[in-house]
Amino acid sequence: DVKVTQSSRYLVKRTGEKVFLECVQDMDHENMFWYRQDPGLGLRLIYFSYDVKMKEKGDIPEGYSVSREKKERFSLILESASTNQTSMYLCAVRHSGNTIYFGEGSWLTVV
Amino acid sequence: QQQVKQSPQSLIVQKGGIPIINCAYENTAFDYFPWYQQFPGKGPALLIAIRPDVSEKKEGRFTISFNKSAKQFSLHIMDSQPGDSATYFCAASRGASGTYKYIFGTGTRLKVLA
Repeated sequence: DVKVTQSSRYLVKRTGEKVFLECVQDMDHENMFWYRQDPGLGLRLIYFSYDVKMKEKGDIPEGYSVSREKKERFSLILESASTNQTSMYLCAVRHSGNTIYFGEGSWLTVV
Repeated sequence: QQQVKQSPQSLIVQKGGIPIINCAYENTAFDYFPWYQQFPGKGPALLIAIRPDVSEKKEGRFTISFNKSAKQFSLHIMDSQPGDSATYFCAASRGASGTYKYIFGTGTRLKVLA
C-alpha cells in the first residue's frame, strides 16, 4: 500500500503567520499534489510536483508556495496566513498509472 | 471545459436501496475517471475507476456506468448499507498530458438509513 503521511493533522495559526504543511511518501513516487478541500467546492488543486525541485501551479496557487527538495517530501507553505485559508489540506501521491492516493489531511484554522 | 459537474449534492436512501451519483464533463481529452469515498476526518480513498473504452465496471457492490457520447458517468451502489454513508467524489484526469492532474466534482454526501 502507498503510505502518504501528513504529520500535522490539526493546526491553529494566527493571521499573518508563516505556515508549513509537510507531506511525506514512503516510496519513490515522482508526482505529488496539494489539494484544498472546502464544503460545496470539492477538492481544488493548489500545486503539484513531478520531480525534485520541479513544481507547477494548480488551479488556486495564490497565497501558497511549495518546496520539494527531496523526492519523498513535498511541503506546502502559506507565507502569510489569512482567515480565508482556513480549510482542510490534502496531500496526494501518484502511484502507478493514473491512480493517486491521499494522506489523511491537515485541518488548518487561521484566527 | 475543465469542470466536472457532480449531482446530487446530498442523498438519503434506505438500507438496501441503490443510490446513484452522476457526473458530467466537457473535456473529451479526459481518459481516466475515478470515484473516491471519504469518511469524516479521513482523506479520500480510491473506490473504483473506469477508462472511456468500456461502458461499465463493477467491483463488489459498486458499479460505474460510462456514457462516452453524453460525456457522463455515474456511480451505483447496490444493496447500500449504513457503512456506505460517506462523501463521494468523482474525478477526471488526462494521463496522456503527463501531469496526472485530477479535476474533482464537488462531492455528494450520502446517508444510508438503517
